[in-house]
Amino acid sequence: GQNIDQPTEMTATEGAIVQINCTYQTSGFNGLFWYQQHAGEAPTFLSYNVLDGLEEKGRFSSFLSRSKGYSYLLLKELQMKDSASYLCASLDSNYQLIWGAGTKLIIKP
Amino acid sequence: DGGITQSPKYLFRKEGQNVTLSCEQNLNHDAMYWYRQDPGQGLRLIYYSQIVNDFQKGDIAEGYSVSREKKESFPLTVTSAQKNPTAFYLCASSIGAENSPLHFGNGTRLTVT
Repeated sequence: GQNIDQPTEMTATEGAIVQINCTYQTSGFNGLFWYQQHAGEAPTFLSYNVLDGLEEKGRFSSFLSRSKGYSYLLLKELQMKDSASYLCASLDSNYQLIWGAGTKLIIKP
Repeated sequence: DGGITQSPKYLFRKEGQNVTLSCEQNLNHDAMYWYRQDPGQGLRLIYYSQIVNDFQKGDIAEGYSVSREKKESFPLTVTSAQKNPTAFYLCASSIGAENSPLHFGNGTRLTVT
């Protein structure tokens, strides 16, 4: 079956760095997305990786290892506004998105 | 500013009633989607449409119906046949390329009692 695993909840301190992991098992693979979702709001696109390696976008970076079925989202210099859920989604061989349940990130002062 | 508008934000209905959720986009996107979000679960695809006057069932289409008469609009009807309709419903659109990111509306929280 197809499956996406990510931690349910994580806590981090303002100004610190946090890494949110995502492992995937899908029928084929055509890339992996990360979205941010504040409570009760729309998910917003953060990153898309299809090749191995790290892609950096300001304070946020996303990493992919296709051989390990593994990705992570790295958030640096955490701010209170980064408190949100982070959704990982894999694009399978039929270009259908398989979504993880999301990781709720709590930032403490 | 371009975007996706879902209305209303909160909706309450009695069991046995059909209800229609609105979704409008002015991004000129070809593809539109409806997802359902429940606590502790990933987003689940209800229906999607790649072009006007055409749509396909997603993973959990039973008890739902859609129409795509205009490029800008993709309303979702939750019928009385849907066993557990209480949920957060998200509409999304994309340019249509297979790996293009989704743009989401702010969602409609439907409560059926």
